[in-house]
Amino acid sequence: QVQLVESGGGLVKPGGSLRLSCAASGFTFSDDYMSWVRQAPGKGLEWVSYISSSGTTLHYADSVKGRFTISRDNAKKSLYLQMNSLRGEDTAVYYCARDLRPGWGYLDYWGQGTLVTVSS
Amino acid sequence: EIVLTQSPATLSLSPGERATLSCRANQNVSSYLAWYQQRPGQAPRLLIYDASNRAIGIPARFSGSGSGTDFTLTIRSLEPEDFAVYYCQLRTNWYTFGQGTKLEIK
Repeated sequence: QVQLVESGGGLVKPGGSLRLSCAASGFTFSDDYMSWVRQAPGKGLEWVSYISSSGTTLHYADSVKGRFTISRDNAKKSLYLQMNSLRGEDTAVYYCARDLRPGWGYLDYWGQGTLVTVSS
Repeated sequence: EIVLTQSPATLSLSPGERATLSCRANQNVSSYLAWYQQRPGQAPRLLIYDASNRAIGIPARFSGSGSGTDFTLTIRSLEPEDFAVYYCQLRTNWYTFGQGTKLEIK
């Protein structure tokens, strides 16, 4: 069955960096677009970034553009989010999610999330 | 910028009742809209895509309708496990989400 498992979250100081990973299994990872979506404590969902199946098309929310970088390793069936210059408002649970169909933009499978806390 | 506005913010109903949740876009988005359910402590789950298509494994009591700017998620007869937060989401405009509707037990 489809599984997405995030890791790499934790406590980091403002201005610091963190790299999140998402390990995929149960589907042909290299065929699918993937996204990162975050949820601040007690708040709604915010899409962060997506990457095409080949990794050539990337998009970012304005709130993270220039600070976050999405990437993938299809051989390792893994998705990544490099987060630099972190701010307090980046504190959230970060989910990786798969597109229902490549490029459709509907997210049919989600991981359990990893918590990132930015605080001094 | 396309904004999705969900209403009401909170809906209080009893099991067995019918729930009607609304999502309104500030410009025409055709049928490019999805609905998600999020239970406490869980990841979101895709319910409906392209406004009216149920995702795999979603019970028939969930239905979606609408196009253009006004969309509705209907839950025909509420089960205890349906009490959760529901989000609408646009598949264009970088996957914009609505702010959510909390469906709580009355």
